[in-house]
Amino acid sequence: ILNVEQSPQSLHVQEGDSTNFTCSFPSSNFYALHWYRWETAKSPEALFVMTLNGDEKKKGRISATLNTKEGYSYLYIKGSQPEDSATYLCAAYSGGGADGLTFGKGTHLIIQP
Amino acid sequence: KAGVTQTPRYLIKTRGQQVTLSCSPISGHRSVSWYQQTPGQGLQFLFEYFSETQRNKGNFPGRFSGRQFSNSRSEMNVSTLELGDSALYLCASSLLPHSGGGDKDYGYTFGSGTRLTVV
Repeated sequence: ILNVEQSPQSLHVQEGDSTNFTCSFPSSNFYALHWYRWETAKSPEALFVMTLNGDEKKKGRISATLNTKEGYSYLYIKGSQPEDSATYLCAAYSGGGADGLTFGKGTHLIIQP
Repeated sequence: KAGVTQTPRYLIKTRGQQVTLSCSPISGHRSVSWYQQTPGQGLQFLFEYFSETQRNKGNFPGRFSGRQFSNSRSEMNVSTLELGDSALYLCASSLLPHSGGGDKDYGYTFGSGTRLTVV
């Protein structure tokens, strides 16, 4: 079973500011890293799936990078908007038909107008 | 297209009872996974079904079981409910199972969950 850590646990950011947070995971037996956004009263929504070291993906103002050698991924939000307020989850998968996705506890992001 | 549908949305049960939760995946998705979220914990993997077969199982007692039907709909069952089973239960679907890393472009599509309260 993987150990996936996310930091910080929560974050308050002023509207318009950019921010980033971290997901760390064991670098051995790595197969894939997922990022999800989970807004209150909604379902978790997939943002990115990354598999290759050095991967960088972007969706609008949100982007993510992956370093599989050192076992971390960063999620960046540029020019935060109130609608970005949500919990951001990362999840790692080790492959080989193991234990499914192992989720971190999330970073709770609050954008203050 | 319709999303992942979970029923019921809310459920209150008494200790010792059993419960069945249902999940209908996105049309065409053949893999269904179940996760549990309790306060202070991340989502924890329960099990995964693909083509009516359980492929993986998380670290949960045997009271937690599931099945998948030929139309890919899945049910999970919890017998002899305990207070600690109170949680949000989410299911997620994808075209392929975990051995394929899920959908490499779209990850997993989650339902809205069933909130189970055991009293």
